[in-house]
Amino acid sequence: QVQLQQWGAGLLKPSETLSLTCAVYGGSFTNYYWSWIRQPPGKGLEWIGDINHIGSTTYNPSLKSRVTISVDTSTNHFSLKLSSVTAADTAVYYCANTAKVGPTTWFDPWGQGTLVTVSS
Amino acid sequence: SYDLTQPPSVSVSPGQTASITCSGDNLGNKYVSWYQQKPGQSPVLVIYQDSQRPSGIPERFSGSNSGNAATLTISGTQAMDEADYYCQASDSSTVVFGGGTKLTVL
Repeated sequence: QVQLQQWGAGLLKPSETLSLTCAVYGGSFTNYYWSWIRQPPGKGLEWIGDINHIGSTTYNPSLKSRVTISVDTSTNHFSLKLSSVTAADTAVYYCANTAKVGPTTWFDPWGQGTLVTVSS
Repeated sequence: SYDLTQPPSVSVSPGQTASITCSGDNLGNKYVSWYQQKPGQSPVLVIYQDSQRPSGIPERFSGSNSGNAATLTISGTQAMDEADYYCQASDSSTVVFGGGTKLTVL
């Protein structure tokens, strides 16, 4: 039974870099991909990107220039960095276990979420 | 970019069947997943690969996908099913979510 626990700074100023980490407990770290997804307050879900255990990444084209997702297989952690944040980046950020089978992708389970607020 | 469209809200009486649609160009050629999100909680996967239920999800949840629309059906809807529901699809390079549907059980 995979469980995810995430953490990181919850309050940032504009232009700073968002940094979050997600720890994976249970299951096989090498059999899946690992994703970050965000949800602005009162709004829908937006996929940010994913990574596998060998560090192969895919990013949302709309965020690609500012996003870096990395993985540490020695600790079963993966991390998100989002640079040059603005108020539009204020959201709850989720990490998620990601299954990719051929052309299909799904997310299960999800971390508990971290509210990141960008304000001067 | 690829868009998925959901109705903002759907209402259903307890015990009745709720249907939530998700529309997109040739969506039937992609696989769709569905997530349930209750207030203040993380999303939970309820359907993947169009119609597969994860372990622990009640049988009253089912899914279908054909043509330009996918449908999440909840049979015998219960008060505990009141939540936001999101559809999701993917291709080789990106993942897209629908805007979400608030299901109200009246």
